[in-house]
Amino acid sequence: GDSVTQMEGPVTLSEEAFLTINCTYTATGYPSLFWYVQYPGEGLQLLLKATKADDKGSNKGFEATYRKETTSFHLEKGSVQVSDSAVYFCALSDKIIFGKGTRLHILP
Amino acid sequence: EAGVAQSPRYKIIEKRQSVAFWCNPISGHATLYWYQQILGQGPKLLIQFQNNGVVDDSQLPKDRFSAERLKGVDSTLKIQPAKLEDSAVYLCASSLRPDAQETQYFGPGTRLLVL
Repeated sequence: GDSVTQMEGPVTLSEEAFLTINCTYTATGYPSLFWYVQYPGEGLQLLLKATKADDKGSNKGFEATYRKETTSFHLEKGSVQVSDSAVYFCALSDKIIFGKGTRLHILP
Repeated sequence: EAGVAQSPRYKIIEKRQSVAFWCNPISGHATLYWYQQILGQGPKLLIQFQNNGVVDDSQLPKDRFSAERLKGVDSTLKIQPAKLEDSAVYLCASSLRPDAQETQYFGPGTRLLVL
């Protein structure tokens, strides 16, 4: 069946470091792919999405490219800030499936 | 624009008791979702409504969980009787349409502890 696999956390980086959070998926159809973020004390919110192969989603300096050949949707940011500390979830639809989440800590 | 509203925010019950959660989606959103998020895991879809009809309830434990959206607006999720393993955060989300590429907007969740 469809599934999402994210790299396990927590991930701890220093401010201004480069970030990659890996996400791979298995799906029988052509799902849309999403990254959702949960900041401390807040609800889940959409960070970015891509609806077809080779699309790049971007928001707040984060980017992810829908790679059909490697079934991946890795999240990247060139220079992280303390305010990026949160839990990040990769998700796919048609069948709505979330990964387990990756907790990110950014040290000042 | 008001977001997705959920109540209560926290609930503590003993096993075998019943509990109900309420959700009011964003105005005009036809699609409503209930998720269960166990600590350390991602949200798991329990049920999806389109207006007042069920689109997907394949992962809803129907022997103890039920949900309704009678007028196609707000929704109630019930657990009867609760088990220890039902301790989780119950998230409600809504979207304008049921399309796969639609963004879901999440409420703050109801944190349930079953003792």
